[in-house]
Amino acid sequence: EAEVAQSPRYKITEKSQAVAFWCDPISGHATLYWYRQILGQGPELLVQFQDESVVDDSQLPKDRFSAERLKGVDSTLKIQPAELGDSAMYLCASSLRTGYNSPLHFGNGTRLTVT
Amino acid sequence: DAKTTQPTSMDCAEGRAANLPCNHSTISGNEYVYWYRQIHSQGPQYIIHGLKNNETNEMASLIITEDRKSSTLILPHATLRDTAVYYCIAVQTGANNLFFGTGTRLTVIP
Repeated sequence: EAEVAQSPRYKITEKSQAVAFWCDPISGHATLYWYRQILGQGPELLVQFQDESVVDDSQLPKDRFSAERLKGVDSTLKIQPAELGDSAMYLCASSLRTGYNSPLHFGNGTRLTVT
Repeated sequence: DAKTTQPTSMDCAEGRAANLPCNHSTISGNEYVYWYRQIHSQGPQYIIHGLKNNETNEMASLIITEDRKSSTLILPHATLRDTAVYYCIAVQTGANNLFFGTGTRLTVIP
């Protein structure tokens, strides 16, 4: 079964440094999502793309976070500068299309630790 | 999207059916009920979804009450690999975001 690929699997960085995460969705999936999951809580949406366009970034802290999906395929999420409170699991998901009948397929995430 | 309420944790004996309840008393007519689970250190995994009718697939069965105010996810023969956090989510037709909440932590006991 096709999977959503994410890298790196783990990342440790010092506060004020820049960090980037990469996601390759399932081939043919037009919709891509970045979620953040703090330990003990459920995932929360940061940004959603439909092809290369941002559909929803209302929960993305835009002063330090940025996301792009230039060719409508893979995507990068960046944090600059990282803060201690950014320590979390960053999950990427994709779906065939937006809507109720398109379940999300998640990658296994990047666990970020900011020291 | 309607808020869902789930028990914080449940135990189930290996080989027995696991019945995970979810309350969604404010669900609207165009909101689907989705179930995902998250095994430790992995991303969430889609299990099943439904609107009004009961649904079954290779992983589980979903029973939705007639008034749609609650549902139950059934894992017919739980195994140790089913130990995970299970999320019940009400999703509006065409909605972009899944609100996961904190889910139910299911522990399958040998």
